[in-house]
Amino acid sequence: AQKVTQAQTEISVVEKEDVTLDCVYETRDTTYYLFWYKQPPSGELVFLIRRNSFDEQNEISGRYSWNFQKSTSSFNFTITASQVVDSAVYFCALSEAMYGNKLVFGAGTILRVKS
Amino acid sequence: DAGVIQSPRHEVTEMGQEVTLRCKPISGHDYLFWYRQTMMRGLELLIYFNNNVPIDDSGMPEDRFSAKMPNASFSTLKIQPSEPRDSAVYFCASSLNRDRVADTQYFGPGTRLTVL
Repeated sequence: AQKVTQAQTEISVVEKEDVTLDCVYETRDTTYYLFWYKQPPSGELVFLIRRNSFDEQNEISGRYSWNFQKSTSSFNFTITASQVVDSAVYFCALSEAMYGNKLVFGAGTILRVKS
Repeated sequence: DAGVIQSPRHEVTEMGQEVTLRCKPISGHDYLFWYRQTMMRGLELLIYFNNNVPIDDSGMPEDRFSAKMPNASFSTLKIQPSEPRDSAVYFCASSLNRDRVADTQYFGPGTRLTVL
């Protein structure tokens, strides 16, 4: 069964601090995809990254970076030098090949960045 | 390019009334998804379509909920009769289908439904 756990319910940091959001997943499939979405206070869901199970390379995009480790079933997201505009709810999600395109979301982590 | 379009953005109705939510996916996308977001249950998949055909409706909570996709550019989610516990944000999302690979789902802005 698919499951995504985001153990951190809420994180508060001061601007310019680095922050890591944890994501642990469970799957029986060998082919799967992991995603991160951002939900700012305005409410929309914004796609950030998609990673397939065969690509364990870490990825960096500006101040964002992602660390995918199959050995620990984790797909963590780090924001470097956080800014107030990063304040949002961040969702990790899993899609398994055997279940087509169905996305299973974690509960989300609320990130508050204070100036 | 236009993203996923949903209407209305906000809906307030009274218990027992019929509610219809609408979605226009991104042009050329083969998959369309309906999700519901609540504080208690988070983001849940209700139903999804591939090439206008419903593939999995196991997430639809009960018979009061129904969804249709009459063509590639339009889908509706209907609740009849509505109940206060249906109050939530309903998201529509669409994605491409490239060699059956799970492609990225792009979400609409959501419809905030309040049932009094």
